[in-house]
Amino acid sequence: DADVTQTPRNRITKTGKRIMLECSQTKGHDRMYWYRQDPGLGLRLIYYSFDVKDINKGEISDGYSVSRQAQAKFSLSLESAIPNQTALYFCATSGTGRTGELFFGEGSRLTVL
Amino acid sequence: LAKTTQPISMDSYEGQEVNITCSHNNIATNDYITWYQQFPSQGPRFIIQGYKTKVTNEVASLFIPADRKSSTLSLPRVSLSDTAVYYCLVAPSRDYKLSFGAGTTVTVRA
Repeated sequence: DADVTQTPRNRITKTGKRIMLECSQTKGHDRMYWYRQDPGLGLRLIYYSFDVKDINKGEISDGYSVSRQAQAKFSLSLESAIPNQTALYFCATSGTGRTGELFFGEGSRLTVL
Repeated sequence: LAKTTQPISMDSYEGQEVNITCSHNNIATNDYITWYQQFPSQGPRFIIQGYKTKVTNEVASLFIPADRKSSTLSLPRVSLSDTAVYYCLVAPSRDYKLSFGAGTTVTVRA
């Protein structure tokens, strides 16, 4: 089983719908991240969290919200999806070290029609 | 936070050595440098990390000059399976905000 699990892996939805992408991890890490990837734009940070009480905005948080339900769970929500939120979304975790070693999930591909 | 700059793309042939340089001019004293590899539709995978001088593992080498304002990932004798996007990331010592640049697309040809 994967250490970082994302659900759903693929989702097609319509403009205006609320969507939640879920991430769970078994690595025991405190830090969790959500990234968005678009072709040619690399990985852009949406939100990151140190623990259930610590949530921080990344570079592109507008239109997104997150919930850290437990140490092992970090969910990303699109309250009212729009077509330009069509992208590949990755969840990642990191331990307490300062070396920047991230462990990524397999990604959630979201298409907003 | 240190901003990173990498070439957008690089082409190579099987068996050659590929060197990707990342510029990070405003790196702070205790920041670490980490490199990732990403295949299409997969999450990035950690390759190597370093703080100064040279680090080598079974996959790659990382060269960091004394001023630490750049770093070079070296992939020895690449194969077709090394075709991927490679990202340089500077991990800030005073924060845990981990931001990536656009990465370098490496294409290995037969």
